[in-house]
Amino acid sequence: DAKTTQPNSMESNEEEPVHLPCNHSTISGTDYIHWYRQLPSQGPEYVIHGLTSNVNNRMASLAIAEDRKSSTLILHRATLRDAAVYYCILRDPLNNNDMRFGAGTRLTVKP
Amino acid sequence: GAVVSQHPSWVICKSGTSVKIECRSLDFQATTMFWYRQFPKQSLMLMATSNEGSKATYEQGVEKDKFLINHASLTLSTLTVTSAHPEDSSFYICSAVRGISSYNSPLHFGNGTRLTVT
Repeated sequence: DAKTTQPNSMESNEEEPVHLPCNHSTISGTDYIHWYRQLPSQGPEYVIHGLTSNVNNRMASLAIAEDRKSSTLILHRATLRDAAVYYCILRDPLNNNDMRFGAGTRLTVKP
Repeated sequence: GAVVSQHPSWVICKSGTSVKIECRSLDFQATTMFWYRQFPKQSLMLMATSNEGSKATYEQGVEKDKFLINHASLTLSTLTVTSAHPEDSSFYICSAVRGISSYNSPLHFGNGTRLTVT
């Protein structure tokens, strides 16, 4: 059972920033926030993860709300190759260290 | 780094036969591997958690005698779909966590196996 809520779909224009929201109001103190994306007919790909502080890597940025009840994945300049389903997942290393996926957000990037 | 190889990428089999899918971590040791199933236009559904050297933990509703999981080494887990039926046709995906202290590690996924049962 997914513990996160994401919009079903979002659209973006190429070369514009994209902010993908995720609500996780029941997050526990030990839950890490993970983001993965899945292109058609492929396995998911790791994007980024964090606990409390905002995180940046070469793919994206993760902004985590101060109360940790929500987070936002930021793609700074969307490209056509960023069109995918993006999954926001909570992972608790102390309890049942598994990963269950919700429905995710299907991102469409328009040229 | 952190490559997970899944084989085969697709397979077609006849109803009643068994199919084995392999998941290998190529450049790291994976104490834990996860197996997922994904139907068209749906999200991934966790089937089982596989720990090296011990029995897999199956999710509710997943038949352990039908979906046999073996994790005999730190780099290989296999999923065998026994007596496959058309309703088992799906996209099967494995993932692996690097290392023993994996609590803060991302999952690395294979590219999936498309199973079609005729």
